[in-house]
Amino acid sequence: DAKTTQPPSMDCAEGRAANLPCNHSTISGNEYVYWYRQIHSQGPQYIIHGLKNNETNEMASLIITEDRKSSTLILPHATLRDTAVYYCIVRVADGSARQLTFGSGTQLTVLP
Amino acid sequence: DAGVTQSPTHLIKTRGQQVTLRCSPKSGHDTVSWYQQALGQGPQFIFQYYEEEERQRGNFPDRFSGHQFPNYSSELNVNALLLGDSALYLCASSSLAGAPETQYFGPGTRLLVL
Repeated sequence: DAKTTQPPSMDCAEGRAANLPCNHSTISGNEYVYWYRQIHSQGPQYIIHGLKNNETNEMASLIITEDRKSSTLILPHATLRDTAVYYCIVRVADGSARQLTFGSGTQLTVLP
Repeated sequence: DAGVTQSPTHLIKTRGQQVTLRCSPKSGHDTVSWYQQALGQGPQFIFQYYEEEERQRGNFPDRFSGHQFPNYSSELNVNALLLGDSALYLCASSSLAGAPETQYFGPGTRLLVL
């Protein structure tokens, strides 16, 4: 699976949009971009995934560049409860049962 | 709809002992993956079970073994515990029938080896 690069930390003011970048320049055509977050000492929480098109769900939006070499996770109105480590993972997601390879992630701190 | 559940939540063992951790997958899921997360690090893949067989394994010694039952629940066994086995053990479930396959995690079991 392709490797990802994320900034180690970011701050965001409560109520503002949090934009978390991820670089995945070696992504293959059949690899999806997945985002998870982990609040301290809890299990990782699935947020969103995408292949080529931008995606939105109740939690966040995922913007993938046209060349698919980078993406941005957007939390539209960050709250204090969004403080967590955010992981961007690129992987094949067919029926061949692939592991998730976690990097260091981005520590997002939402400030009051 | 219950999510992924794990038991116990916390466990304390001594070096050399054996431990068994349990996981019940999310309803409708048939695949279980296990991860180890040491303090301050990201989760590391241990192995994955599907149809009661180990389908994929990470870089973990044979002291780590597992099992999947016909109801898709799973156990992780660790023998001859070392201090370095102290970690949060995470279970994730998914369905290979649904593409793309998305893994959902349980709350984890915190293991402390003294």
